[in-house]
Formats: sequence, structure tokens, C-alpha cells
Amino acid sequence: QKEVEQDPGPLSVPEGAIVSLNCTYSNSAFQYFMWYRQYSRKGPELLMYTYSSGNKEDGRFTAQVDKSSKYISLFIRDSQPSDSATYLCAMSDRGDDKIIFGKGTRLHILP
Amino acid sequence: EPEVTQTPSHQVTQMGQEVILRCVPISNHLYFYWYRQILGQKVEFLVSFYNNEISEKSEIFDDQFSVERPDGSNFTLKIRSTKLEDSAMYFCASSLNYGYTFGSGTRLTVV
Repeated sequence: QKEVEQDPGPLSVPEGAIVSLNCTYSNSAFQYFMWYRQYSRKGPELLMYTYSSGNKEDGRFTAQVDKSSKYISLFIRDSQPSDSATYLCAMSDRGDDKIIFGKGTRLHILP
Repeated sequence: EPEVTQTPSHQVTQMGQEVILRCVPISNHLYFYWYRQILGQKVEFLVSFYNNEISEKSEIFDDQFSVERPDGSNFTLKIRSTKLEDSAMYFCASSLNYGYTFGSGTRLTVV
């Protein structure tokens, strides 16, 4: 079983829709969970950072972590064409430690 | 907003040559990292660096790789004898306590 699994997509949704992106993981030691956005030929940009289980909201973005199911989600409300990018989930067992990335989900928001 | 700066943005080198990839992390950050991303694949951890020494390295980071922080601002990755399979995007990242900031990357092409 891969350490972090993420559906690569592509995922195409109409503008204004709610987007749901997910990852599963196998390592129960992971405590820190992140979502990064990556535009083509650019570095990953941190969107959300969550410690342990629970929800975190920032504007149109909501991150959820369910450690009992080893499942994390990112929701994007009122999606915009500018949200079109690859979304990477990432996790680590220490805040200053190496992070393990998922392969990324390519998201297309259709105007 | 502070950013991590990487140079060059693209480097082409012949197989067997040495390359040095350069990074200027965010000035008050304490932890420094190199990651790479082969085209179409996930972002992979190479090495972490803290307090002027390597804190962790991956299996990829073999004897051909080295890192250095020669002064208070630069952080470099050296590949001594490049192979075709070293062709990838190389990302530098830095952090203060959690959540990395990544640079835009150096695209290394080995021919």
C-alpha cells in the first residue's frame, strides 16, 4: 500500500460548484496535514495546514482530517477558473520534518 | 510577501558534469529542504538541513548529492556527476516551524 494515495484526475467542474478533493494514507504516525496548490511549472504553494483531526476553514477553502479513517479532504466553495491547478495533499509526523506528498489531483474549473 | 528564490530557472548540462543549484531561503527560516519532481510524478523529498547539518536524507540522496549553506543566505544542492535520470524539477523550501514555502524550482535537463 502506498504511503499517500490521491486520485490524479483530471477533475472538471463548472464554475461556482463545490469541489471535493481527497487523500488516504497508511502511516498512522502522520500528525500534520497540508494541502498545496501547484500551477504548471511552478513550486507548490501552501493552502491549508492542519494538525491532527478536525476541520479548518480559510475563506473558500475547508480542510478536514479524519485520522481514524486515515482520510483527508479539501473543499473549495464557489470555485473559480483561477482555481484550476494541481492540488497536492501532503503530510508529516513532525511539523519540521520531511513531508510526503500525494501525486496530486489536476482540477479544471470550466467557465 | 517573503519568498524563496531559486536560480537558475532552467539548466541544461551534459551527463557526467557537476551542477550546483542555488536557493535563497526566507531570511528568518531555520529549516531548509530540497525536493525534486520528475515530470508526471510526485514531489519527492531529498534532504532536510537544520543547524548547519543534514537532519534527514532520502534514499535518492546518495553520494553524488551534497548540500551546503556557505553563508547566512544561500543554500545549495550539488550533483557531482549528473545522470540522465537526474532530469527533474528541483525545489528548494524553507520553514520556520511548520508549513514550508517552496521556491519556483530549477528545471534540470541532463543530456
